[in-house]
Amino acid sequence: SQTIHQWPATLVQPVGSPLSLECTVEGTSNPNLYWYRQAAGRGLQLLFYSVGIGQISSEVPQNLSASRPQDRQFILSSKKLLLSDSGFYLCAWSPPIARNEQYFGPGTRLTVT
Amino acid sequence: AQSVTQLGSHVSVSEGALVLLRCNYSSSVPPYLFWYVQYPNQGLQLLLKYTTGATLVKGINGFEAEFKKSETSFHLTKPSAHMSDAAEYFCAVKFYTGTASKLTFGTGTRLQVTL
Repeated sequence: SQTIHQWPATLVQPVGSPLSLECTVEGTSNPNLYWYRQAAGRGLQLLFYSVGIGQISSEVPQNLSASRPQDRQFILSSKKLLLSDSGFYLCAWSPPIARNEQYFGPGTRLTVT
Repeated sequence: AQSVTQLGSHVSVSEGALVLLRCNYSSSVPPYLFWYVQYPNQGLQLLLKYTTGATLVKGINGFEAEFKKSETSFHLTKPSAHMSDAAEYFCAVKFYTGTASKLTFGTGTRLQVTL
């Protein structure tokens, strides 16, 4: 069966510091991968998605970037965090065939101080 | 523009009462539809989905939803609420555009279950 991991689970970082969140998927090949942010009391905002290694699509311009160095690894990064980057970050995957549901990881709670 | 609307950001029901969470979408073409549940500080878990076929879909934990094309709705119901159903529920829609399985999510409905 497929599983998705995210780490760290929680993170407290000062403004201006770098960020690296990691997501890995097991038990499947060539998944589509997604990064979402969920701000307090709000819905999910799609940040990035990837259909293959090195292929990244950005949904909204912002202070973050994403990379996919391996088939089942998706990384969310920032060079300098802003207070507004605080939130709950969720990684998700879906099978490579379109029109399927997404499966979510446990999330990373990021607090920027 | 294509969109998803969840009516009511908070819904409170008594234990044993009917649960009804509303979801409407805006699209000229019937999309694929999903309901997810999120417990505090956890990821989202798929409750059920509609793609094609029978319009009444049964999911996990006793939930079901009915796709009504004429009303562009996909409301989530459960006959009898349990305390363990207290969580946030998200309706999501896959419109027939673009690549990957990009989903558009509603803003969520927080379900409170009282004794």
